[in-house]
Amino acid sequence: QVQLKESGPVLVQASETLSLTCTVSGFSLTNYGVIWVRQPPGKGLEWMGIIWRNGNTDYNSALKSRLSINRDTSKSQVFLKMNSLQTDDTAIYYCTRAPLDYWGQGVMVTVSS
Amino acid sequence: DIQMTQSPSSMSASLGDRVTITCRASQDIGNYLSWFQQKPGKSPRRMIYGATNLAAGVPSRFSGSRSGSDYSLTISSLESEDMAIYYCLQSIQYPWTFGGGTKLELK
Repeated sequence: QVQLKESGPVLVQASETLSLTCTVSGFSLTNYGVIWVRQPPGKGLEWMGIIWRNGNTDYNSALKSRLSINRDTSKSQVFLKMNSLQTDDTAIYYCTRAPLDYWGQGVMVTVSS
Repeated sequence: DIQMTQSPSSMSASLGDRVTITCRASQDIGNYLSWFQQKPGKSPRRMIYGATNLAAGVPSRFSGSRSGSDYSLTISSLESEDMAIYYCLQSIQYPWTFGGGTKLELK
């Protein structure tokens, strides 16, 4: 069955770089894109970006200068990297299969000052 | 960016009620509109895609409709398991943008 699982550090220092991994199973990254969405505590959802099945990427312009999404199809993994973290980057980070039909459980990342 | 204005931000309703939540798009988004349900501590779940299409496994009491730039999610007969926050999402233009959410509570 289709599954996605996020992994990475739960605590990051301000100004440092966040690195998250989304490991997928039940489908191929060459057939489906993967989207990253985040949600600050008690707030709404924010679309961060997508890596398409052909490897192309599109980013939220508000994050574009800090964000990169890559993948390793052989390992069925998608990677999110975001630099220059601030405390308002504290959020649950989700990966989801395009078209947002399957979601990971999310990983809560806290940015400490 | 396309703004998705969702209303109401919260509402309470009784079991068996018909409930409608609306999103208004600031620009033409065609039918590139999805609805998501999120329960506390859980990941969002896609309910409707393409404005009117029911996602797999979603009960038939849920439906989506469009009137111009207004998009609606309707629950025909509210059940206790429907208490959640609902979000709309436009996916026609980057950045894809979510509505602010509607918290649905039991009266």
